[in-house]
Amino acid sequence: DADVTQTPRNRITKTGKRIMLECSQTKGHDRMYWYRQDPGLGLRLIYYSFDVKDINKGEISDGYSVSRQAQAKFSLSLESAIPNQTALYFCATSDTTGAEVAFFGQGTRLTVV
Amino acid sequence: AQRVTQPEKLLSVFKGAPVELKCNYSYSGSPELFWYVQYSRQRLQLLLRHISRESIKGFTADLNKGETSFHLKKPFAQEEDSAMYYCALSPGGTYKYIFGTGTRLKVLA
Repeated sequence: DADVTQTPRNRITKTGKRIMLECSQTKGHDRMYWYRQDPGLGLRLIYYSFDVKDINKGEISDGYSVSRQAQAKFSLSLESAIPNQTALYFCATSDTTGAEVAFFGQGTRLTVV
Repeated sequence: AQRVTQPEKLLSVFKGAPVELKCNYSYSGSPELFWYVQYSRQRLQLLLRHISRESIKGFTADLNKGETSFHLKKPFAQEEDSAMYYCALSPGGTYKYIFGTGTRLKVLA
């Protein structure tokens, strides 16, 4: 199931570097989300977007920025990466029908050294 | 505050034993509740949602508004059920998902 695709799948970067994680979807959903997953902390919402012109901060947006280039694309940037941003990052989408089910990408494992 | 609590980080059971993964939520309105599962090296996927009241892979979950709980149950665990399980809340009208910290289920042979 490649409806929600994240690139890269794995990335190692150095402290202070700028890095972009990309997410694209073929599900035709308006809503897109970025989460990070950390052991013992579960998934925490970084940013979300309900359409191309609507971007919202989640609970842990500091140190991150996003860009919604099109309905199908939602990118997450770390302007100056730091080691505690080492985590597994997930992109998700959901549609505007009543189901409100979230569909997730495969995840991007980011390591900041 | 809106919150999802999964008190157990790890739950180990033997194959064939009953399983109950606990989930409690904090939300004053009418919640949409979900269970997501993440098998090893795979993406999160929906297991079930309270609104559909269905049974998936033998799992069921009942919303108890009085106890603000949405526990996941299965009468007979299978080894292939070993995975990470997340309870999630979508507060009505927000279209956001608040996840618990997850419970790792290990089913022992």
